[in-house]
Amino acid sequence: KQEVTQIPAALSVPEGENLVLNCSFTDSAIYNLQWFRQDPGKGLTSLLLIQSSQREQTSGRLNASLDKSSGRSTLYIAASQPGDSATYLCAVSGVRNYQLIWGAGTKLIIKP
Amino acid sequence: NAGVTQTPKFQVLKTGQSMTLQCAQDMNHEYMSWYRQDPGMGLRLIHYSVGAGITDQGEVPNGYNVSRSTTEDFPLRLLSAAPSQTSVYFCASSPQGAQPQHFGDGTRLSIL
Repeated sequence: KQEVTQIPAALSVPEGENLVLNCSFTDSAIYNLQWFRQDPGKGLTSLLLIQSSQREQTSGRLNASLDKSSGRSTLYIAASQPGDSATYLCAVSGVRNYQLIWGAGTKLIIKP
Repeated sequence: NAGVTQTPKFQVLKTGQSMTLQCAQDMNHEYMSWYRQDPGMGLRLIHYSVGAGITDQGEVPNGYNVSRSTTEDFPLRLLSAAPSQTSVYFCASSPQGAQPQHFGDGTRLSIL
């Protein structure tokens, strides 16, 4: 059974720092991996999607990498801003039915 | 540009009551799904649909029913509410199952 883990559960850093969020999964047979952002009281917003054949995806200050063989993905945020404060979740899609299995998220606080 | 609309945003029920959580999308997406989000846990899939007239169970379907009579609507029914169903419920849609999902803002449900 696929399990997705995100460590740490919470992270607080000063504005301007580069930071890395981690996501690990137990079964390497995935279709894709997605990173989402969740703001308090809101739904989730898709940030990046990496297909299983890809190594990384970039969008603005965000870069997500995927190492399927080791069951790991990282989300790199460059030059963090207070507006980046949110909970970041990763989810993996299975090869059989595309159902997403979710991590519990990392709550990120960027201090001005 | 409504996207995915969930109603109501908040609801308090008594044990044993029934209710329907509404979800509508205006993007002509075939794939729709319902998740529940509990503190400290990742989202868990309740039911999903790959198109009008087709539904299937997710990871935690017990106590919930769904139907998909149109492409736009995917209501979630609680037949006899239990305190264990206290949670935040999210509806999501995507053009296909493996593509990034668009989320509604959620329904916060408390069962007393």
